[in-house]
Amino acid sequence: DSGVTQTPKHLITATGQRVTLRCSPRSGDLSVYWYQQSLDQGLQFLIQYYNGEERAKGNILERFSAQQFPDLHSELNLSSLELGDSALYFCASSGGLARHNEQFFGPGTRLTVL
Amino acid sequence: DQQVKQNSPSLSVQEGRISILNCDYTNSMFDYFLWYKKYPAEGPTFLISISSIKDKNEDGRFTVFLNKSAKHLSLHIVPSQPGDSAVYFCAASAIEGYGGSQGNLIFGKGTKLSVKP
Repeated sequence: DSGVTQTPKHLITATGQRVTLRCSPRSGDLSVYWYQQSLDQGLQFLIQYYNGEERAKGNILERFSAQQFPDLHSELNLSSLELGDSALYFCASSGGLARHNEQFFGPGTRLTVL
Repeated sequence: DQQVKQNSPSLSVQEGRISILNCDYTNSMFDYFLWYKKYPAEGPTFLISISSIKDKNEDGRFTVFLNKSAKHLSLHIVPSQPGDSAVYFCAASAIEGYGGSQGNLIFGKGTKLSVKP
């Protein structure tokens, strides 16, 4: 158990809909990262938050947004969903900003868009 | 364009033998490399890392080798055990200023290792 929790585990929805994925980082970790893993793809970095502030953006679509709340949990909002958004979405956390800080991953949320 | 490539989608090894997983990268700005292991229905877990100032890092049965001139790294597992069966991801990180920030990991697609008893 990494100490990172993600809810829900599975999510099935229809095209055009909007969903919210939730992540609680390890106790004390200030950095939260979101990744997407599509079929047969590696993990694609989406976005990073540090202590409530957006720190870095990767390959995140404009239809996607995220935020980190004062209690450090984070939410990833996916809107106007398309079939191609079906993927595993992972959240990870680390203690700080240093690159050498190990990232601890949650179990992921599997999103299926029908 | 993939910056981190794991060209072998799968690898099968006999228990007790050596497993060698390979990873190539294209971006010369990468200077920190990691391996993650992933079991089904779980998130990736950190295994071992190496900085570009080194060419080898060892942790128990796991050794990572880095060949900067070839932009190639490999993970050796000796001896391989059935519990090592998992998907292994190679990841790389660049210095600040590239890709948005420190901590931005670029992952390969993974290699599925099967260790047979």
